[in-house]
Amino acid sequence: QVQLQESGPGLVQPSGTLSLTCDVSGDSINSAFWWSWVRRSPGKGLEWIGEVYVGGTANYNPSLMSRVIMSTEKSENRISLQLTSVTAADTAIYYCVRHIPINGQRGFDFWGQGSLVTVSS
Amino acid sequence: EVVLTQSPGTLSLSPGERATLSCRTSQSTRSDYIAWYQQKPGQAPRLLMHGASNRAPGIPDRFSGSGSGTDFTLTISRLEPEDSAVYFCQQYSGSPRNSPQYTFGQGTKVEIK
Repeated sequence: QVQLQESGPGLVQPSGTLSLTCDVSGDSINSAFWWSWVRRSPGKGLEWIGEVYVGGTANYNPSLMSRVIMSTEKSENRISLQLTSVTAADTAIYYCVRHIPINGQRGFDFWGQGSLVTVSS
Repeated sequence: EVVLTQSPGTLSLSPGERATLSCRTSQSTRSDYIAWYQQKPGQAPRLLMHGASNRAPGIPDRFSGSGSGTDFTLTISRLEPEDSAVYFCQQYSGSPRNSPQYTFGQGTKVEIK
């Protein structure tokens, strides 16, 4: 069974950088090729942040593109997220998710439990 | 950006009744690119359906999905108390090399009387 566990600071200062990691167990990150971050906030519902390929290629939500960096650490079986210049609007639960490893299908079959990040001074 | 509109906002039904949840996309979408999720309070979303009509592993057969073009439906044929949750639809547009984008509907809350 694939398990994803997000971790990182629960509180970030406005204008600071949000940094989260996602440890994958039960499978190799090489198995699904693509991994994403999704967040849920009271004001915007579920929002896709971006996706990262196991080889390092990443694609981001156009609305966040200028502030997001995603990466993978194959040796650690880990996915990472950085979001810069955060504001209160970035307060949300952040989920690490695995893409369905079925050619031609789009969606997320495994989700982490989520990491609540609050942006506040 | 493709906008997903879910209706109704809230559905209040009794156990054993049938629930029909709608998801309308602002542009025609491939069925392969439609998924549905269930989210209960304090839990992460759970994949129910992918490719519009394919149940994810472990999902009971009382859940079914259908639709094409811009109109997609999730049906719960016989509601059970544990089906009380918020249900989201999701679509994908673009391609890995051309502005990929996933968007979600705002959700339908299903309440069991």
